[in-house]
Amino acid sequence: QKEVEQDPGPLSVPEGAIVSLNCTYSNSAFQYFMWYRQYSRKGPELLMYTYSSGNKEDGRFTAQVDKSSKYISLFIRDSQPSDSATYLCAMSDYGNNRLAFGKGNQVVVIP
Amino acid sequence: KAGVTQTPRYLIKTRGQQVTLSCSPISGHRSVSWYQQTPGQGLQFLFEYFSETQRNKGNFPGRFSGRQFSNSRSEMNVSTLELGDSALYLCASSSRQGLSTDTQYFGPGTRLTVL
Repeated sequence: QKEVEQDPGPLSVPEGAIVSLNCTYSNSAFQYFMWYRQYSRKGPELLMYTYSSGNKEDGRFTAQVDKSSKYISLFIRDSQPSDSATYLCAMSDYGNNRLAFGKGNQVVVIP
Repeated sequence: KAGVTQTPRYLIKTRGQQVTLSCSPISGHRSVSWYQQTPGQGLQFLFEYFSETQRNKGNFPGRFSGRQFSNSRSEMNVSTLELGDSALYLCASSSRQGLSTDTQYFGPGTRLTVL
């Protein structure tokens, strides 16, 4: 079983829709949870960083962590064509800079 | 502040050769981590260097090695290249004080193609 599971299927949504992405994980030691956005031919760019369980909101982006279910989510409201990218979840445990990544979801927002 | 830079951006090598990739972290950052990204396996951790010492290593063969210099710049070396080493190699830097887990900032990557 992989440490982090992210259904890699592509996702196409119309502009203005809500995008919902999620990951599950198996390592109960993970405490830091991140979402990265990666445009084609670029390195990953940090979108959201959450410690432990709870919600975090930043503009149109909301990250949720449910440690009891080992499940994290990212929601993008009012999606824009510029949000078209691959979204990667990542996580790590305390004192460890090793990030475990999901395989990523390619999101396409259609104008 | 300048971001993480990686050189070269693109590289083509043949099987059996060796390659060295370079990464310059964000000014003031002392931790540099390397990742391999492939369509099949996604992003996988290779190793982390902090203050010139390897602090963590992923599950890769010994052909993959790295080092860090006193100015925090890091190099990664792959010897005896195999076709399966074709990938995007990403470097990430963070300020990483002691045992804390800090935000990692990624460079644009080096695209390695092995023929």
